[in-house]
Amino acid sequence: NAGVMQNPRHLVRRRGQEARLRCSPMKGHSHVYWYRQLPEEGLKFMVYLQKENIIDESGMPKERFSAEFPKEGPSILRIQQVVRGDSAAYFCASSQTGGNTEAFFGQGTRLTVV
Amino acid sequence: AQTVTQSQPEMSVQEAETVTLSCTYDTSENNYYLFWYKQPPSRQMILVIRQEAYKQQNATENRFSVNFQKAAKSFSLKISDSQLGDTAMYFCAFMKHSAGTASKLTFGTGTRLQVTL
Repeated sequence: NAGVMQNPRHLVRRRGQEARLRCSPMKGHSHVYWYRQLPEEGLKFMVYLQKENIIDESGMPKERFSAEFPKEGPSILRIQQVVRGDSAAYFCASSQTGGNTEAFFGQGTRLTVV
Repeated sequence: AQTVTQSQPEMSVQEAETVTLSCTYDTSENNYYLFWYKQPPSRQMILVIRQEAYKQQNATENRFSVNFQKAAKSFSLKISDSQLGDTAMYFCAFMKHSAGTASKLTFGTGTRLQVTL
């Protein structure tokens, strides 16, 4: 049973480009959470999605950031027109309905904007 | 809104000794969960231990135990018989109770633990 898979592990983008981060939850999990970790800081919640629905996006920046979790395929965190301040590690976690409250984390994607 | 505070940015402990990491939190919720996560250099977030707020008994997992003081909103982690592999960042986290599933986590800023020979 594979864990939460995130790809790519490392992503380099020039300022103004788009970044797409992918997250495949654990098998049977229908809840996905995205977190951002700036250097030397803790993880900050960004968005919580269930299949085809955004449940809580209170941590998402209002502009340039979007997330989706389609019926088929991975969850995608999309950052348009990246800036240097977007450089961070982005983590995805997943959980299952009726589970024991544990969210399982992927290994993260480290985004570097040059 | 919930806040989680870890007041020790860095700590060091000798191998085989015991160390305690501090965490305090603020919430108006009555039903919630508290967690300690470990993040080694690989960046993987690893769940160390979990505590349900409605349980008075402190959680333990092998060498890891917590001191949960609900009234004081304190949730410290004790690592006994420290091992070199315990070297990592440790994050305290809060989760509001949500029927049927997990919900979003609020993390502290972390404590960097170094285990030395």
